[in-house]
Amino acid sequence: RKEVEQDPGPFNVPEGATVAFNCTYSNSASQSFFWYRQDCRKEPKLLMSVYSSGNEDGRFTAQLNRASQYISLLIRDSKLSDSATYLCAVTPEGYGNKLVFGAGTILRVKS
Amino acid sequence: ETGVTQTPRHLVMGMTNKKSLKCEQHLGHNAMYWYKQSAKKPLELMFVYNFKEQTENNSVPSRFSPECPNSSHLFLHLHTLQPEDSALYLCASRPGTPNSPLHFGNGTRLTVT
Repeated sequence: RKEVEQDPGPFNVPEGATVAFNCTYSNSASQSFFWYRQDCRKEPKLLMSVYSSGNEDGRFTAQLNRASQYISLLIRDSKLSDSATYLCAVTPEGYGNKLVFGAGTILRVKS
Repeated sequence: ETGVTQTPRHLVMGMTNKKSLKCEQHLGHNAMYWYKQSAKKPLELMFVYNFKEQTENNSVPSRFSPECPNSSHLFLHLHTLQPEDSALYLCASRPGTPNSPLHFGNGTRLTVT
């Protein structure tokens, strides 16, 4: 089983739609979780950290489900500019230095 | 301005060449990373340095040789590469605190001919 798995998509949604992605992780000892956004041929940029109680940043909401070992990202009121690849990242060994990324989920928002 | 600077941005090299990638971070972070991103593949962790000490080597072939002279600088020395080594090489840094995210540089796009 891969350490971190994501549905590659693509998710094709109209502007204004709500879309959600999940990311599963294999090691129950994982403690740190993040969502990154990567535009074509660019470096990944941090979108948000994921906290145990869930957290929100504007139109973006991140949740952690430890029992089922997944994190989720919800995007409300999708904009054309949200089109990108969304990567989840997990520290598989507690709070260690190693940060493992999923393969990413492609989102395409269309007008 | 990302705070993590990589040079060169693009590199084309033959299989017999020797070249080096450079990364510099201005964020005061303690840990530095090299990742490889090939087309249609996930980011692959290559090396991690924490306070200049290597803490992760993810079974990387010896034709890739990292060097971390201090917490602000990281190099990746390349020699006798193969065409399948063509990829985007990303440097990142991270504070030493738990739950802290990575900050990436712009990457070096490497083509091995």
